Amino acid sequence: SQTIHQWPATLVQPVGSPLSLECTVEGTSNPNLYWYRQAAGRGLQLLFYSVGIGQISSEVPQNLSASRPQDRQFILSSKKLLLSDSGFYLCAWTPAGNQETQYFGPGTRLLVL
Amino acid sequence: SQQGEEDPQALSIQEGENATMNCSYKTSINNLQWYRQNSGRGLVHLILIRSNEREKHSGRLRVTLDTSKKSSSLLITASRAADTASYFCATGGSNYKLTFGKGTLLTVNP
Repeated sequence: SQTIHQWPATLVQPVGSPLSLECTVEGTSNPNLYWYRQAAGRGLQLLFYSVGIGQISSEVPQNLSASRPQDRQFILSSKKLLLSDSGFYLCAWTPAGNQETQYFGPGTRLLVL
Repeated sequence: SQQGEEDPQALSIQEGENATMNCSYKTSINNLQWYRQNSGRGLVHLILIRSNEREKHSGRLRVTLDTSKKSSSLLITASRAADTASYFCATGGSNYKLTFGKGTLLTVNP
């Protein structure tokens, strides 16, 4: 069966520090991968998605970047965090053969102080 | 921008009652999905309805879709305290992406 992991689960970082959040998927090949951010009490904002290794599409201009160094690994990064980067970050995947339903990881709660 | 808009934003009911949540969207879609999120957790897919379907059932869930009104509803029958969560609709188009609404917070009181 397929599983998706995110780490860390929670993170408190000072403004101006770098960020690296990792997402990995097990039990599938060539998934589509997604990064979302959820502000408190809000819906999900799509940040990045990837249809293959090294292929990244950015949805909104921002302080963040994403990379996909391996087929089932998706990394969200920042060189210098802003206060506004605080939020709940969710990774999701869809199977290569069925791109409709998304399966979400447990999320990473980021607090920038 | 968020295409789906859920209504109401919050709903509080007693255990055993039915809960109805609505979703409106703006552009044409291929499918509409409902997801559930427990506090502080990831989203879980509940049900998908395609643009050529009008109603779908899954256990205690019933989803309707009216493409002429660009709206959908999610009905949870005989609610339980464990149904307490946020519920999101998401619209899928011709690309790989989903657009989520802001969600309805459902509280089921025992």
